[in-house]
Amino acid sequence: DGGITQSPKYLFRKEGQNVTLSCEQNLNHDAMYWYRQDPGQGLRLIYYSQIVNDFQKGDIAEGYSVSREKKESFPLTVTSAQKNPTAFYLCASRMRTGASRHNEQFFGPGTRLTVL
Amino acid sequence: AQKITQTQPGMFVQEKEAVTLDCTYDTSDQSYGLFWYKQPSSGEMIFLIYQGSYDEQNATEGRYSLNFQKARKSANLVISASQLGDSAMYFCAMREDLYNFNKFYFGSGTKLNVKP
Repeated sequence: DGGITQSPKYLFRKEGQNVTLSCEQNLNHDAMYWYRQDPGQGLRLIYYSQIVNDFQKGDIAEGYSVSREKKESFPLTVTSAQKNPTAFYLCASRMRTGASRHNEQFFGPGTRLTVL
Repeated sequence: AQKITQTQPGMFVQEKEAVTLDCTYDTSDQSYGLFWYKQPSSGEMIFLIYQGSYDEQNATEGRYSLNFQKARKSANLVISASQLGDSAMYFCAMREDLYNFNKFYFGSGTKLNVKP
């Protein structure tokens, strides 16, 4: 089945450790995204990538890093510089061919990160 | 300024009744897209409905319809005949097509509770 997978579903880390969240899609989508969601809040954009080997900072990129070496994969690293990393992280993807009728974002199931 | 505003943090509706979730947006683009997503307690984001800025008719998808009032910059979601399974968070989102059609803006969400 085509879709977006994120692993793991739950992740626990000690303060000061870097941690990498996985996001893989087999939808042949060009653009991929990372969002952060805090309890009861909306989605805030961390990073997005429109094509392989290219990515742009979103609204809250500080303390995070990404790579896009393959079309299918867009891992997010939460570094120790991120002051409050405990949150729900959602990965999404969409076709890059932009302003057409639909091209909604498809979302993965999310990773809940807790830093102890 | 907020790109997407959802002024109802929480709403209650009786099962089988209709409910309207409010969304206003802010853009100077002539071409843009508006989306509604549903987020159940499991955390996944489910695409519901899309409205393009040039679409003359309001979008409908089953029990969902979008009340698009361009001059007022509002894109309210109407759910007819509410069901218990409609209880979830609902997010309004916008894509602007002029500068960056790959960047989406999300509102803070409305938590809908359907009462039996």
